Amino acid sequence: DTGVSQNPRHKITKRGQNVTFRCDPISEHNRLYWYRQTLGQGPEFLTYFQNEAQLEKSRLLSDRFSAERPKGSFSTLEIQRTEQGDSAMYLCASSATGSIEPQHFGDGTRLSIL
Amino acid sequence: EDQVTQSPEALRLQEGESSSLNCSYTVSGLRGLFWYRQDPGKGPEFLFTLYSAGEEKEKERLKATLTKKESFLHITAPKPEDSATYLCAAPLGSGGYNKLIFGAGTRLAVHP
Repeated sequence: DTGVSQNPRHKITKRGQNVTFRCDPISEHNRLYWYRQTLGQGPEFLTYFQNEAQLEKSRLLSDRFSAERPKGSFSTLEIQRTEQGDSAMYLCASSATGSIEPQHFGDGTRLSIL
Repeated sequence: EDQVTQSPEALRLQEGESSSLNCSYTVSGLRGLFWYRQDPGKGPEFLFTLYSAGEEKEKERLKATLTKKESFLHITAPKPEDSATYLCAAPLGSGGYNKLIFGAGTRLAVHP
């Protein structure tokens, strides 16, 4: 069990640029979640994958955001035309399939928009 | 509206000074509650799952309890290495999976 891995750890970009983050979940976990966390707040749910299927998207996920999980393994989160308000920590979590399985988080990608 | 609220926002303790953190929730049909620890610049680290009112879980100096309206994280004789933000979260979702709704956390600082 190597844990959830996220890359890059930090991303600094100019407003209007596109960015992509990657998440590698714990290998045997079918469920994958993306969250966003701003300073002083708890994480907020963005989207959920069961294997390769994206089953839920939060209203926080505007049309500038897209997430994929090809082949049900790693996942990517892309933000197009970044805005100042996109600055946050983007966290990925995975869990086993079960009624109340704990989610295990990666250390996130911190996005800073100049 | 489903909501999780944590108090206090910040807590400063002397080493060895026991205390409790509160997590109150209004979630319809609560199926469990999670506690996480988060260090600066890191992702949340799973601590406990509580499944039903009356349940207690312990790990080293931490004990989590659950009632029908709130959960407590009791810290006994804390050490400086217990300094972190503690988050509680409730699972939502009826599709067999669990998106989490988090509280804003309690920032704990333990001083020698």
